[in-house]
Amino acid sequence: DTGVSQNPRHKITKRGQNVTFRCDPISEHNRLYWYRQTLGQGPEFLTYFQNEAQLEKSRLLSDRFSAERPKGSFSTLEIQRTEQGDSAMYLCASSLNRAGEQYFGPGTRLTVT
Amino acid sequence: GESVGLHLPTLSVQEGDNSIINCAYSNSASDYFIWYKQESGKGPQFIIDIRSNMDKRQGQRVTVLLNKTVKHLSLQIAATQPGDSAVYFCAEGEGNKLVFGAGTILRVKS
Repeated sequence: DTGVSQNPRHKITKRGQNVTFRCDPISEHNRLYWYRQTLGQGPEFLTYFQNEAQLEKSRLLSDRFSAERPKGSFSTLEIQRTEQGDSAMYLCASSLNRAGEQYFGPGTRLTVT
Repeated sequence: GESVGLHLPTLSVQEGDNSIINCAYSNSASDYFIWYKQESGKGPQFIIDIRSNMDKRQGQRVTVLLNKTVKHLSLQIAATQPGDSAVYFCAEGEGNKLVFGAGTILRVKS
């Protein structure tokens, strides 16, 4: 399968714990995006990488959130001191050279108890 | 899986009929628009896109129409099939990010 992959698919954690999610984009894609989706809503943009550079961050991305793409391939999204409001589906997408035609992974569903 | 649609508009069509899903967008400066299909428990799946300098684009069984005067986008699906049942989102491109609309549930009756 050469699509975008995300791990884990599901994560249940207790409030206050740290979690880290991984995204592996389509191999030749230089652009990588993170979005968050809550029930009944469309995805909301969180952050964007071009190669290893993080070029844009949403105001939704609080100080507890950090994303990296160290070698310009896979990316990680870490949430520190999780809160119940962080419960959502976290989606990763990638594209080649232009922001349109983004291809999404299956998402990581986070539940904070 | 993802259980969406508590408050989303729903379009019910008979199998074999054509479907039209509508979307109003907000930013007249958006330079491209995309339709995505999302099935329960899965990420959004790219269907078709259109640049702002076009008013129509066709794909396989789908057509997207863009009316910039009234900031309206539509997705037409020909000969709708049960596998088309999903939530459909329009998204507008603002720089390096996509801004998604609220979504429409498409239910195909056999």
